[in-house]
Amino acid sequence: AQSVAQPEDQVNVAEGNPLTVKCTYSVSGNPYLFWYVQYPNRGLQFLLKYITGDNLVKGSYGFEAEFNKSQTSFHLKKPSALVSDSALYFCAVRDRELTGGGNKLTFGTGTQLKVEL
Amino acid sequence: DAGITQSPRHKVTETGTPVTLRCHQTENHRYMYWYRQDPGHGLRLIHYSYGVKDTDKGEVSDGYSVSRSKTEDFLLTLESATSSQTSVYFCAISEPRTSGTDTQYFGPGTRLTVL
Repeated sequence: AQSVAQPEDQVNVAEGNPLTVKCTYSVSGNPYLFWYVQYPNRGLQFLLKYITGDNLVKGSYGFEAEFNKSQTSFHLKKPSALVSDSALYFCAVRDRELTGGGNKLTFGTGTQLKVEL
Repeated sequence: DAGITQSPRHKVTETGTPVTLRCHQTENHRYMYWYRQDPGHGLRLIHYSYGVKDTDKGEVSDGYSVSRSKTEDFLLTLESATSSQTSVYFCAISEPRTSGTDTQYFGPGTRLTVL
């Protein structure tokens, strides 16, 4: 079974400060990990993914995420937050060892990021 | 949202009526998915398709059926809508993992209200 947890329903940060949105996962094998962002009344937009290799993954809009196997975490980070980053962020996981099953993802419950002036 | 459209975008219906939502893609991706999004639950997979006429259940498939008669279209049907099916429905597409481009891409969503 695969699962993912986003322990914070909401994260508040001041513009210009660094931000972190937390994600931990559980899989039987090795993970594929994804971050998506959702703006109001829009679909989910892909930000970045970890497949293998470098533990620090860089994505769209200046976001990056760090894969930590020992802590089973994949936290999303940005060095300097913008008001326009305010949105709902989802972490998702798929067990790399699972074959078939249509590449199903399991999503977290989402974290609302609010960036204030 | 490019390459994926969903129709209708908004729908209000009454309990007990049938409802069909359509997902259309122009990317020729093999896999298609239907999710529902509810507060506190994130996205949950309803059904998915791994090819024309090939579909399988997700984690919340009760009360839903799907059909895929051609690559570009994936239909989600609520045979008899209930208030618990009030939600926002998202379609997604992807290619097989072996293609190396297996990221799922999402449509704009359909907001369904069942009265």
